[in-house]
Amino acid sequence: SQQGEEDPQALSIQEGENATMNCSYKTSINNLQWYRQNSGRGLVHLILIRSNEREKHSGRLRVTLDTSKKSSSLLITASRAADTASYFCATDGSGYSTLTFGKGTMLLVSP
Amino acid sequence: ETGVTQTPRHLVMGMTNKKSLKCEQHLGHNAMYWYKQSAKKPLELMFVYNFKEQTENNSVPSRFSPECPNSSHLFLHLHTLQPEDSALYLCASSHRDRGYEQYFGPGTRLTVT
Repeated sequence: SQQGEEDPQALSIQEGENATMNCSYKTSINNLQWYRQNSGRGLVHLILIRSNEREKHSGRLRVTLDTSKKSSSLLITASRAADTASYFCATDGSGYSTLTFGKGTMLLVSP
Repeated sequence: ETGVTQTPRHLVMGMTNKKSLKCEQHLGHNAMYWYKQSAKKPLELMFVYNFKEQTENNSVPSRFSPECPNSSHLFLHLHTLQPEDSALYLCASSHRDRGYEQYFGPGTRLTVT
């Protein structure tokens, strides 16, 4: 299966701390995307990293991709209570398949 | 607001009812998707449409019937559902059906009684 697996399943931190979430996948990809979801709402696209990229930044977000290890990480720096949400990685297989999502990491940022 | 709207936001229906979910995107995208999100399970892709043509149907039971009259509108017609079909149904759109970020609607919370 192409499915991404996020780790940890849940993460609880204090405001101001950094949060790191990891994603592992099984087969070759074209790109990997990260999404966030507030409780019971739709997903919001955060960042897309292509298979030939190793690192990408967007505001307080930093994403890395290691295709040799088939893994990615999402770092949120200086977290805020508003960052509380579930975070999902999604992979787009090398055969140009549609996205496959993992089960997500639930992040709780306490004031 | 992501530019993708879904109605209704909440729906309670009996197993013998027929109802429809509606999705509309205002982004000029050509691909639209239905996903099912159940508790403690990964997001499940149900159907994909690209330029109004269905390009993927992930073994979804026939009690779910999609319709895509144009690139901006997507429907999911529901009939004789089961309680295990209760879930959050999410619509999404993207520029094409491969390789692009997807924009999601807020979802319809469906409860089948």
